[in-house]
Amino acid sequence: GAGVSQSPSNKVTEKGKDVELRCDPISGHTALYWYRQSLGQGLEFLIYFQGNSAPDKSGLPSDRFSAERTGGSVSTLTIQRTQQEDSAVYLCASSRTGTSGGARETQYFGPGTRLLVL
Amino acid sequence: QKEVEQDPGPLSVPEGAIVSLNCTYSNSAFQYFMWYRQYSRKGPELLMYTYSSGNKEDGRFTAQVDKSSKYISLFIRDSQPSDSATYLCSSGGFGNEKLTFGTGTRLTIIP
Repeated sequence: GAGVSQSPSNKVTEKGKDVELRCDPISGHTALYWYRQSLGQGLEFLIYFQGNSAPDKSGLPSDRFSAERTGGSVSTLTIQRTQQEDSAVYLCASSRTGTSGGARETQYFGPGTRLLVL
Repeated sequence: QKEVEQDPGPLSVPEGAIVSLNCTYSNSAFQYFMWYRQYSRKGPELLMYTYSSGNKEDGRFTAQVDKSSKYISLFIRDSQPSDSATYLCSSGGFGNEKLTFGTGTRLTIIP
């Protein structure tokens, strides 16, 4: 079946502009995650959705970052007034249920959106 | 100090060699341990998943977790050029959806 898809694949923007990154999770997956991957930093957790709710937003680096999920499916990560330090690969992952009954469901990652802020 | 530390490499070994990749972690609450493989310009894919301490084997791959020393290892036997990728260790706590990742080790298998 289809995996996690993300769009756009690449985004170049000017400092100060807003950007929207989209994630289409695997159909039927209720849990959705956003991560950021920077050179030398590894993957950093940003936010977790269960359905349309975001019980854990602890990784969002500033109030310029926000995310929403609608219909329990598509999610959008918005970065307002982009800065050069926002340049990174933004990865989305989904899992069937998240953590359930002590077992952790596999997170399936999309290919990422490469964001470059000039 | 990062909660999960991983030597970034790069690491180059000849084809057929045994590869050892390692991570340490500091959070005693971590119960889940995973290894992800990431090819260039692709998303990470789950390679091995271990709950608590112990060993897990899958084909040429063996994952080890030693909770007493907070040490995570991945061994690759009979390494192949197709194993060339970045390997990421990650850990998570019970009841917590967040995964914490190491920085990744870039591995090259030389034919």
